Amino acid sequence: SQQGEEDPQALSIQEGENATMNCSYKTSINNLQWYRQNSGRGLVHLILIRSNEREKHSGRLRVTLDTSKKSSSLLITASRAADTASYFCATDPYTGKLIFGQGTTLQVKP
Amino acid sequence: DVKVTQSSRYLVKRTGEKVFLECVQDMDHENMFWYRQDPGLGLRLIYFSYDVKMKEKGDIPEGYSVSREKKERFSLILESASTNQTSMYLCASSSHLAGGTTDTQYFGPGTRLTVL
Repeated sequence: SQQGEEDPQALSIQEGENATMNCSYKTSINNLQWYRQNSGRGLVHLILIRSNEREKHSGRLRVTLDTSKKSSSLLITASRAADTASYFCATDPYTGKLIFGQGTTLQVKP
Repeated sequence: DVKVTQSSRYLVKRTGEKVFLECVQDMDHENMFWYRQDPGLGLRLIYFSYDVKMKEKGDIPEGYSVSREKKERFSLILESASTNQTSMYLCASSSHLAGGTTDTQYFGPGTRLTVL
């Protein structure tokens, strides 16, 4: 089935640096969502971007969506140790269900 | 804030046992979902429900069943647990939007099930 694919699978940066994660998908979507998961916990919604939007901001988060390339990116600016987590993109292909990617594991070193 | 709770954080069961995982949400959401999460496989949808007594199969329904008798509660049932059902189980809920589109999903903390 269609699936978002995140890149890279793992990312390690120093505190204060920016982190960029990418997501690609295969079919038309209604919206794309990003979630965060701290180790062993449930997922927390970060941001939803609709197919007619190109960019969205929330605090230190910036999400872009390029529907022509079927891709999205999540930028976390001025990262903190507390940002250490796994990040998932999820696409809504007009089915009423979300399709989750396998995630990017981000480690932010103090 | 939306709150989704799951009955157990950790559960250990034996092969062949019947297992019930319960999920309760307090935001009057129409939609509820059960996922399992395994390393390298991401989140996979087991079952979902759009309304009371309504259920639809997800991508991996084999070996599972669900029950939704009340709007706030969605139960996942493993009729006869097997070792390959050892996993993290995540419940989620969301509002129902027109046109088959999805809204934000709110997740519970997860249940880590081990089947021996």
